[in-house]
Amino acid sequence: SSELTQDPAVSVALGQTVRITCQGDSLRSYYASWYQQKPGQAPVLVIYGKNNRPSGIPDRFSGSSSGNTASLTITGAQAEDEADYYCNSRDSSGNHGVFGGGTKLTVL
Amino acid sequence: EVQLVESGGGLVQPGGSLRLSCAASGFTVSSNYMSWVRQAPGKGLEWVSVIYSGGSTYYADSVKGRFTISRDNSKNTLYLQMNSLRAEDTAVYYCAREWYSSGWYLDYWGQGTLVTVSS
Repeated sequence: SSELTQDPAVSVALGQTVRITCQGDSLRSYYASWYQQKPGQAPVLVIYGKNNRPSGIPDRFSGSSSGNTASLTITGAQAEDEADYYCNSRDSSGNHGVFGGGTKLTVL
Repeated sequence: EVQLVESGGGLVQPGGSLRLSCAASGFTVSSNYMSWVRQAPGKGLEWVSVIYSGGSTYYADSVKGRFTISRDNSKNTLYLQMNSLRAEDTAVYYCAREWYSSGWYLDYWGQGTLVTVSS
């Protein structure tokens, strides 16, 4: 299968912890990467590999993976974290990219 | 500083063609994997195509046979030639660099260029 599945929407209270998940068969072979996208802006990489953050991404963002599921965790969510989040990986062929459908995160 | 700047978007009639450009600075396009990703209005991200540093190319089923990814090493620019355009190709098109370190990921993105297919 070349699909990645995400919950369409998740909410979290300000300062609390939220986990966003991504499921797909290809995640058994490839790590997911995670992107944050705010309205009208290009996506921004927030997590890659086993659990790596690009320079400038706050350490409240972390990633994990188990079996066919990858997770993005935000510990102590802030108002500025409200955005759409997408997971991405290679498909089972290894030569095509695939994105999850995206999760809209609301910070209450 | 790494920068990607897309251009070439616009309004085109169904069945028409358009070529998108992605000018890179701060790194060499031909030495990297480069991808196109699109986003239809109000929808999620969709992977479109990739060109490897060795020149191999791959496409999403939705565009295979209609779109062609290429690069001009002398201009350090990535292209996407889009033919036989359909209404469902309407989207913002992003170019991105793909890098590998403990997994594949898209580390630099352009600002996007809007393609509208309509009569």
